[in-house]
Amino acid sequence: GGIITQTPKFLIGQEGQKLTLKCQQNFNHDTMYWYRQDSGKGLRLIYYSITENDLQKGDLSEGYDASREKKSSFSLTVTSAQKNEMAVFLCASSINGPFNQDTQYFGPGTRLLVL
Amino acid sequence: AQSVTQPDARVTVSEGASLQLRCKYSSSVTPYLFWYVQYPRQGLQLLLKYYSGDPVVQGVNGFEAEFSKSNSSFHLRKASVHWSDSAVYFCAVSISNNRIFFGDGTQLVVKP
Repeated sequence: GGIITQTPKFLIGQEGQKLTLKCQQNFNHDTMYWYRQDSGKGLRLIYYSITENDLQKGDLSEGYDASREKKSSFSLTVTSAQKNEMAVFLCASSINGPFNQDTQYFGPGTRLLVL
Repeated sequence: AQSVTQPDARVTVSEGASLQLRCKYSSSVTPYLFWYVQYPRQGLQLLLKYYSGDPVVQGVNGFEAEFSKSNSSFHLRKASVHWSDSAVYFCAVSISNNRIFFGDGTQLVVKP
């Protein structure tokens, strides 16, 4: 088995601040994903990466940057935090992909609150 | 374009009762279909998935789902729920090598 680790678990930021979220997986999966989850809503794709140094925009990429430094890690940057923003950011990985029948494995999430 | 709808935001059932969580999808071709569960303060975990074949697919913890092409549905069922089944359940659809779309989720509350 494997695990996906997301750091930090909680992130409190100030309006306009640049914030970075990190994700590590030890599945040796090729594809990694970043999703945003708002309360009572489904997941929306921000970025995904099919291999090291690859980056693909999702439906919600504006206001975010991402980086796949190595196969096991995928980081997400909120370029300018919005006041009163509150959401959970979920990282996931899949063995191949993207978006085929492979199961996506999810991390526990990073909870963001912007004051 | 493909989309997925979970018409019930919240479902409350008594422990031991049967359960059905509804999922409708919109797609020009039969998509890959998934049900994921999210327990409090955790990521999503796969319950079951369907690509083809027997329209009733078995998942973990006694869950099953039935695909209906005529109704464009993929409803999740369980014969007898336990309090530990309380969670948010997400239906998701994907066309091969295309995006995966998640529904808004259904919060299941199991009363003792």
